[in-house]
Amino acid sequence: DAGITQSPRYKITETGRQVTLMCHQTWSHSYMFWYRQDLGHGLRLIYYSAAADITDKGEVPDGYVVSRSKTENFPLTLESATRSQTSVYFCASRLAGPLDDEQFFGPGTRLTVL
Amino acid sequence: SQQGEEDPQALSIQEGENATMNCSYKTSINNLQWYRQNSGRGLVHLILIRSNEREKHSGRLRVTLDTSKKSSSLLITASRAADTASYFCATDVYNFNKFYFGSGTKLNVKP
Repeated sequence: DAGITQSPRYKITETGRQVTLMCHQTWSHSYMFWYRQDLGHGLRLIYYSAAADITDKGEVPDGYVVSRSKTENFPLTLESATRSQTSVYFCASRLAGPLDDEQFFGPGTRLTVL
Repeated sequence: SQQGEEDPQALSIQEGENATMNCSYKTSINNLQWYRQNSGRGLVHLILIRSNEREKHSGRLRVTLDTSKKSSSLLITASRAADTASYFCATDVYNFNKFYFGSGTKLNVKP
């Protein structure tokens, strides 16, 4: 059971380049989330999705784009990477029921923007 | 601004001692959750407490919630070296599906 996976695990890119981080879950969870975690800080929500083709902004959406054409995939794109987007990115998912509050996290992608 | 804030930022104790960390938040919540993060890893869910609950137990974990003070505490009893990690509280803001995480408490349990 693969659960939730992220790729790549590590990425170095340059300012101005487009970067896409992938997230894939095998549980058919309705909700998926993207967070960023900066050194020494907690997680901040970038975008989330309630179902395929339904996405919404979180706390820090600027500079990011998401899509969700299939339930199991939730890619995050940095259209023009900036140094301030250097961070660790976590994808998470959860079920949709009213009592299904636990989020399941992927292992993270460490992104460095030079 | 962040919804949840943990206190203390760092905590160092001996194995066998109890560890208590606190979380304060700002707005009404649906539930509050605690997560653990080992160094370089993703977060793992520990325990959830709903807004109508005051106390919850799970193994060596005890969580309390005081909605009047907008605060929660996580107690880990009889700590072990393996409990060394960062602990985060996350609040599920009422009627949204957005989770707000605090900045975490870094716990070091010395063997």
